[in-house]
Amino acid sequence: EPEVTQTPSHQVTQMGQEVILRCVPISNHLYFYWYRQILGQKVEFLVSFYNNEISEKSEIFDDQFSVERPDGSNFTLKIRSTKLEDSAMYFCASQAAAYEQYFGPGTRLTVT
Amino acid sequence: AQTVTQSQPEMSVQEAETVTLSCTYDTSENNYYLFWYKQPPSRQMILVIRQEAYKQQNATENRFSVNFQKAAKSFSLKISDSQLGDTAMYFCAFMSGGNSGGYQKVTFGIGTKLQVIP
Repeated sequence: EPEVTQTPSHQVTQMGQEVILRCVPISNHLYFYWYRQILGQKVEFLVSFYNNEISEKSEIFDDQFSVERPDGSNFTLKIRSTKLEDSAMYFCASQAAAYEQYFGPGTRLTVT
Repeated sequence: AQTVTQSQPEMSVQEAETVTLSCTYDTSENNYYLFWYKQPPSRQMILVIRQEAYKQQNATENRFSVNFQKAAKSFSLKISDSQLGDTAMYFCAFMSGGNSGGYQKVTFGIGTKLQVIP
């Protein structure tokens, strides 16, 4: 069964460094999302992406964040200058049919 | 803005017994979708069940069923014949029907931690 994959599974970085989280959505999906979950808290929406542009973003998704789909398969989330509070689990999701988002296994980001 | 509330931080159930997890939500919309997601210790988010707001019939998926009360804005999950593999965090979630025809962000509750006891 096709699934969303994410790499790396765990990323440790120093405050102020740039990180790129990678996602490979399910191949025929056209809608993509990033969510984040700070430890012990709810999963929060960051951004949605369709047709090579952002369709919606949350207040969390400020100028430090960017997304792109560089090669038609990968979907990346970049954090330009990481802060301690960016430490969280980041989930990618993709969607083909209405109301069915499939989530990846997540990338745990630890900022020290 | 929509909100999703789960008032049970933790629950436990004996193996083979039935347990019900509660969820309420707030929205002014009439067209929306509700979900229960399971997050085991591996932290993968797995869709358990989905309910369309326009459907009166409660959704069922094998041992999982929901009690959807639209007027009360309540959406509880019942797990029958609980198994050890059901141990996980369970998140109630909402998606607006909106203008995008089902391609919207998902809003999650804070979760209920379910422990199935052998």
